[in-house]
Amino acid sequence: QLQLQESGPGLVKPSETLSLTCTVSGGSISSGTYYWGWIRQPPGKGLEWIGSIYFTGSTYYSPSLKSRVTISLDTSKNQFSLRLSSVTAADTAVYYCARAFDIWGQGTMVTVSS
Amino acid sequence: EIVLTQSPGTLSLSPGERATLSCRASQSVSGTSFAWYQQKPGQAPRLLIYGASNRATGIPDRFSGSGSGTDFTLTIFRLEPEDFAVYYCQQYGNSPTFGGGTKVEIK
Repeated sequence: QLQLQESGPGLVKPSETLSLTCTVSGGSISSGTYYWGWIRQPPGKGLEWIGSIYFTGSTYYSPSLKSRVTISLDTSKNQFSLRLSSVTAADTAVYYCARAFDIWGQGTMVTVSS
Repeated sequence: EIVLTQSPGTLSLSPGERATLSCRASQSVSGTSFAWYQQKPGQAPRLLIYGASNRATGIPDRFSGSGSGTDFTLTIFRLEPEDFAVYYCQQYGNSPTFGGGTKVEIK
């Protein structure tokens, strides 16, 4: 059974870069024609798509975050990663990784604070 | 960006009743790229419906999705205690967006 697990620092300072990794188990990240993505949810608020990466390596980002986001794939480790630069308090959220929106990780809380 | 507006914001119902949740898009959405999710406190969203009307694996048949164009509906026939949660609609075209959510609470 495919499972996804987010990992990374729970606290990031303003203006720094948030880096998260999603480790996929129970299946290969490079099999099939899936896309892998990141979604976030600020405390008490709704869901926001951040971006996705296809098995080919093509990336698609939210227009509102595009200038600050990089998503990459590491097939050798069966992982994909998120980097969000120049963070502010508004980037405080639970960050989820997902496969094509049908299988989600449990989420990881990231707080931006000095 | 396609904006999705969900209504009502909160639905107060009793177990056994029917829940009807609406989602309106700011422009026409392909039905093949429309989904509904359920989220309970402290949990990740769970895919219920994809392609506007297809139930995801393991989803009970009391959940039904319908609609096309700009108007989509999620119906939950005969609410079970475990169905009280927040529901989100989503279009997953070129630039996916989510609705603001509808909370289904126990009356």
